[in-house]
Amino acid sequence: DTGVSQDPRHKITKRGQNVTFRCDPISEHNRLYWYRQTLGQGPEFLTYFQNEAQLEKSRLLSDRFSAERPKGSFSTLEIQRTEQGDSAMYLCASSSQQGAISDEKLFFGSGTQLSVL
Amino acid sequence: GESVGLHLPTLSVQEGDNSIINCAYSNSASDYFIWYKQESGKGPQFIIDIRSNMDKRQGQRVTVLLNKTVKHLSLQIAATQPGDSAVYFCAENARGADGLTFGKGTHLIIQP
Repeated sequence: DTGVSQDPRHKITKRGQNVTFRCDPISEHNRLYWYRQTLGQGPEFLTYFQNEAQLEKSRLLSDRFSAERPKGSFSTLEIQRTEQGDSAMYLCASSSQQGAISDEKLFFGSGTQLSVL
Repeated sequence: GESVGLHLPTLSVQEGDNSIINCAYSNSASDYFIWYKQESGKGPQFIIDIRSNMDKRQGQRVTVLLNKTVKHLSLQIAATQPGDSAVYFCAENARGADGLTFGKGTHLIIQP
């Protein structure tokens, strides 16, 4: 499968625990995005990377959230001290940007569904 | 604030009929628009996109129409099939921005 891969598909945790999600983008894509989606809503932008550099973060990304992409390939999203309001689908997407040419079309993974009890 | 939104949360159509899903946007700086289909438990799947220098683009059984005058975007699905049942999102990208801004979605229900 050459699409965007996310792990785990589902995560149930207790309030106050830390969780970490992983995303493997399409191999030739240098841009990687994290979105959050709650029931009945469209995905909301959290942050994105170009190669290993984190270029933009949404105000939705509180201090408890941290994302990394150390080698410019896979990325991790960690949520510390989880709260019930963190329950959502966390989606990863990737795209390609070469020089001045940007493909704005994002390819999404199947997401990680987080439930905080 | 400026946002992308949809007119109807649910659209029910008969199998075989054509479906039209509408989207209104208010950001005049948006120059790229895209439709995604999302099935239950899955991530959004690309359907079709259009740039602001066009007003119509066709794909396989799908057509996107863009009316910049009234800031309106629509997705037409011809001969709707049961497999078209999903939530459909429009999204926009403003010139110079990074990433897409999504609307709330329309749930398309296919009646047999």
